[in-house]
Amino acid sequence: DVVMTQSPLSLPVTLGQPASISCRSSQSLVNSDGNTYLNWFQQRPGQSPRRLIYKVSNRDSGVPDRFSGSGSGTDFTLNISRVEAEDVGIYYCMQGTHWPRTFGQGTKVEIK
Amino acid sequence: EVRLVESGGGLIQPGGSLRLSCAASGFSISTYYMGWVRQAPGKGLESVSILSRDGTSYYADPVRGRFIVSRDNSKNTLYLQMNTVRADDTAVYYCVRDNWYSFDYWGQGALVTVSS
Repeated sequence: DVVMTQSPLSLPVTLGQPASISCRSSQSLVNSDGNTYLNWFQQRPGQSPRRLIYKVSNRDSGVPDRFSGSGSGTDFTLNISRVEAEDVGIYYCMQGTHWPRTFGQGTKVEIK
Repeated sequence: EVRLVESGGGLIQPGGSLRLSCAASGFSISTYYMGWVRQAPGKGLESVSILSRDGTSYYADPVRGRFIVSRDNSKNTLYLQMNTVRADDTAVYYCVRDNWYSFDYWGQGALVTVSS
């Protein structure tokens, strides 16, 4: 299975400050069709996960533009330009290129 | 509006069987890959199974040979038959729509507790 490794696992952030989460895969996520199926999900406390980003950098409808994704190959990043109180939760990267789809361990974002 | 609503969770003894259902609305499950993802208490997310549009099923190693994914297109409902359950199957099970190698919609989850 493809192993997804996130860092940091805990991220205390001051309101209004930026935050960055790294995600690395144990093998390339470039699919045979040329696309890279790396996704980011947010799970707020007590809620189901919600997709934020698909195919590395595409924001889902309704996702604030302070969220952005970047990267290629095996190295990816989720950036939050200015953290707001509603961003508290656990963030997961997930690769969809290989079966089984595998997730990172999760990064807990909290307010300092 | 796309909605996924799971049902069928509960307490089950080790070695027993349980069937989860996922009623979909707002789209036809026959035109999408559909799947199940689980989350053990206080833990991360784990893919369990996927069912393709043509009916091919995929399973993660921990559940292969014990779980069966299926669907009823007439009811627009996805199922997960869980057999020979173990304590480490205890988790919230989420129904997901798998859209181009990504889970774009999630249900609210169904808690399955395996305990004697």
